[in-house]
Amino acid sequence: GQSLEQPSEVTAVEGAIVQINCTYQTSGFYGLSWYQQHDGGAPTFLSYNALDGLEETGRFSSFLSRSDSYGYLLLQELQMKDSASYFCAVSPANNLFFGTGTRLTVIP
Amino acid sequence: KAGVTQTPRYLIKTRGQQVTLSCSPISGHRSVSWYQQTPGQGLQFLFEYFSETQRNKGNFPGRFSGRQFSNSRSEMNVSTLELGDSALYLCASSRGTSGGTDTQYFGPGTRLTVL
Repeated sequence: GQSLEQPSEVTAVEGAIVQINCTYQTSGFYGLSWYQQHDGGAPTFLSYNALDGLEETGRFSSFLSRSDSYGYLLLQELQMKDSASYFCAVSPANNLFFGTGTRLTVIP
Repeated sequence: KAGVTQTPRYLIKTRGQQVTLSCSPISGHRSVSWYQQTPGQGLQFLFEYFSETQRNKGNFPGRFSGRQFSNSRSEMNVSTLELGDSALYLCASSRGTSGGTDTQYFGPGTRLTVL
C-alpha cells in the first residue's frame, strides 16, 4: 500500500520561513507534487519533483530524497494569504495519492 | 484558457438515491480524474478516464462509477447513496499523455450532502 504522512498543523509568523515535511511509504511513483487548498477552494498545484533535489518556484521550493522516502515544501517570506492546507502527493500513474495534509496558519 | 468546471456546485440527496456529477476539463486535456475529499479520509482517488476509457481505479465500491464522452467531459455516478458519501467531489484534468508527470488541475468541486 501507500501512505504519506505530514504534520497536521503548523503555525508560523508573517515574513518567516516554514518547512512542511512529507514522509512516505510507496512502492513506486513518477514524482512528488505539492498542492495548496484554501478553505472551500480547490487544490492548486504548487510544485513537482520528478528527481531528487530542490525545485524552486518563486517563494516556494520543494525537495525530494527518494533514498530517504522524504520530501518537503519550503515557503519563504510568508504572507497571511499563505494560510491554507498543503498536501503532498505521489503519482503512481496519471493519478494522485495524497498525504494527510498540513494546515498552515500564518500569524501577524 | 478556461479552467475545470463542475456542476452542480452543491447537492443535497437522501439515502438510497443516486446522483450524477459532471466535469468539463480544460480544453485540450484528455484525462479526467475524480477524487473524494472528506474530513476523516482526506483526499482519495476514485478513478481516471482517458479517451473515454477508465484507465486507473481507486479502492471504492462499485456504487461509484463514471464515464467520459468524446469531448472529454466526464460524469460520475453514485448509486444507493449512504450517509458516508457526503463529501466534496473534485475532478481534475490533465493532458494524460506523459505517464504520471502531468500536472493535474482541479475544479471547484461538488459538495454532496446525503441526509
